[in-house]
Amino acid sequence: DIQMTQSPSSLSASVGDRVTITCRASQSISAYLNWYQQKPGKAPKLLIYDASSLQSGVPSRFSGSGSGTDFTLTISSLQPEDFATYYCQQSYRTPRTFGQGTKVEIK
Amino acid sequence: QVQLQESGPGLVKPSQTLSLTCTVSGGSINSGDYYWSWIRQHPGKGLEWIGYIYYTGSSYYNPSLKSRVTISEDTSKNQFSLKLSSVTAADTAVYYCARDQRGGLGWFDPWGQGTLVTVSS
Repeated sequence: DIQMTQSPSSLSASVGDRVTITCRASQSISAYLNWYQQKPGKAPKLLIYDASSLQSGVPSRFSGSGSGTDFTLTISSLQPEDFATYYCQQSYRTPRTFGQGTKVEIK
Repeated sequence: QVQLQESGPGLVKPSQTLSLTCTVSGGSINSGDYYWSWIRQHPGKGLEWIGYIYYTGSSYYNPSLKSRVTISEDTSKNQFSLKLSSVTAADTAVYYCARDQRGGLGWFDPWGQGTLVTVSS
């Protein structure tokens, strides 16, 4: 299975901060990388698919980049509703696998 | 817009079979445009894809669970179901159903709200 490793596992940030989360794949996955946001007690919500395509309805402050093994999710200006856990997921090879998550907390 | 809703027992005894159903509204699982997946999340942990089904009845499972998993569909009710046999405490998790993009090798969107299943005697 392709292993997905996110860093950091958690971070503290303030409203208005620029936040970057990294996801690394154990082998090249081209651009088959997706990002989700999960709030406590809720299901994950798709933010970005194919590394950099913004899902409809998702604010433009979210962006994704990368290819091969290294990917980033950037929140350009953190808003109060963005405090959540973020997961990456590879869709290059079955079984699809997820990163362990990055929890974004209020500083 | 498409919505998914999981249903089933919240408590299952060890060695028994976990059974859940996902009801899809706002779209047909029979359309052939999407696959339909089950995903689980152990308490406080990450996400694990369990398997998917296509409207033709074809299915594919995560090899880690393949020997114990069956996913089926009832197109007349616009539902698909998960059965996981011989459960142990390690199968305690929140179980989600989700629409599966790109021929079953894509992203998941949308998701159901999830249902917690506890395995305990």
